[in-house]
Amino acid sequence: QVHLQESGPGLVRPSETLSLTCTVSGGSINDYYWSWIRQPPGKGLEWIGYIFYTGSTNYNPSLKSRLTISVDTSKNQFSLRLTSVTAADTAVYYCARGGYTYGQGYFDHWGQGTLVTVSS
Amino acid sequence: SYELTQPPSVSVSPGQTASITCSGDKLGDKFASWYQQKAGQSPVLVIHQDIKRPSGIPERFSGSNSGNTATLTISGTQTMDEADYYCQAWDSSFVGVFGGGTKLTVL
Repeated sequence: QVHLQESGPGLVRPSETLSLTCTVSGGSINDYYWSWIRQPPGKGLEWIGYIFYTGSTNYNPSLKSRLTISVDTSKNQFSLRLTSVTAADTAVYYCARGGYTYGQGYFDHWGQGTLVTVSS
Repeated sequence: SYELTQPPSVSVSPGQTASITCSGDKLGDKFASWYQQKAGQSPVLVIHQDIKRPSGIPERFSGSNSGNTATLTISGTQTMDEADYYCQAWDSSFVGVFGGGTKLTVL
């Protein structure tokens, strides 16, 4: 069974960079798309972006200028980097398996989520 | 940008059928998926590609998608089905879009 685990700081200062890593176990990161999704407290889900194991990416246009998603196949990990954060970036961040391919896509495995708070 | 609209809340009595809708421009031309999120937990995929149930999802969960509306139907709703439900699709630029979510109350 594939298991995803997010890791990274729970508190980030305004204007600084949010960095998270998702470690995939129980299966290979190869041959799949991998996404980041976030959920502000008490609100709905927002898709952030996805990466294919080859390194190709697609980002939410609303975050694209501040966002980088990368993959390290040797470690079975993929990562998110969001620069110039504000309080609006406070959310539970989930990593998930899935992305858009061949006309369809869905997220069939999710991490437990990690709360990132942006505050001074 | 593409938008998906869901009713904020739906109520159903135990044993009855619950229907949760998701509306978007020509949504029927895209594939829709549905996620169940119970309080304090991560979302779980319950329907993908409009009508397909992942392994382990009870048969009482079904989906449809036509025109501008996708629908998640829960037949014989149980108290354990009380949760937030989100629809999801991809726009023409391959950007993922979620609906605002529907809180299902079973009472």
